[in-house]
Amino acid sequence: KAGVTQTPRYLIKTRGQQVTLSCSPISGHRSVSWYQQTPGQGLQFLFEYFSETQRNKGNFPGRFSGRQFSNSRSEMNVSTLELGDSALYLCASSLEGLGFYNEQFFGPGTRLTVL
Amino acid sequence: QKEVEQDPGPLSVPEGAIVSLNCTYSNSAFQYFMWYRQYSRKGPELLMYTYSSGNKEDGRFTAQVDKSSKYISLFIRDSQPSDSATYLCAMSDNAGGTSYGKLTFGQGTILTVHP
Repeated sequence: KAGVTQTPRYLIKTRGQQVTLSCSPISGHRSVSWYQQTPGQGLQFLFEYFSETQRNKGNFPGRFSGRQFSNSRSEMNVSTLELGDSALYLCASSLEGLGFYNEQFFGPGTRLTVL
Repeated sequence: QKEVEQDPGPLSVPEGAIVSLNCTYSNSAFQYFMWYRQYSRKGPELLMYTYSSGNKEDGRFTAQVDKSSKYISLFIRDSQPSDSATYLCAMSDNAGGTSYGKLTFGQGTILTVHP
């Protein structure tokens, strides 16, 4: 079974630009969560999508948004990039997205650098 | 104050040593406790999970949860150089709503096991 895939793996952008990251979950998984990982803050939850609906959202500004398609693939978008958005963006998929019964499987991440 | 506190280390031990990793938390609603391992340039992978209080053993790894003290531990016996990685504790509740798809992580402890 193929794991979670994320594209692209690396991105370099400049301040003010916007970026779109993509995540393909494990086949059959309907929940996709996104996290931001930085050395200072660690892994922080961005949002979760299930059946094309955002069910949960972390404490990030509105510049961070996402969506999920009918095949469960998900994208996240960051508009008006700031230097502080430089991070590893991880997506994780699970069957239902609730509790430990639904283990989250992580992708390798997209390393975003904002110059 | 963060909901989950974890000593970032780094921790350096000789091969064969017993390693103890710990996290404390403040949210009494957490019911599910997980340990993830993250190698460089990879996404986190689940090592162990525990529901509520108690111990769980899997090969060289033992996870302990003490909900009364809001304290969890991971022990690694007979540590190997291949165990060198970042270890992340993670927690969730199962209340629906703001729990959907959300894991709350500790900062991560960088472990190096040298031959």
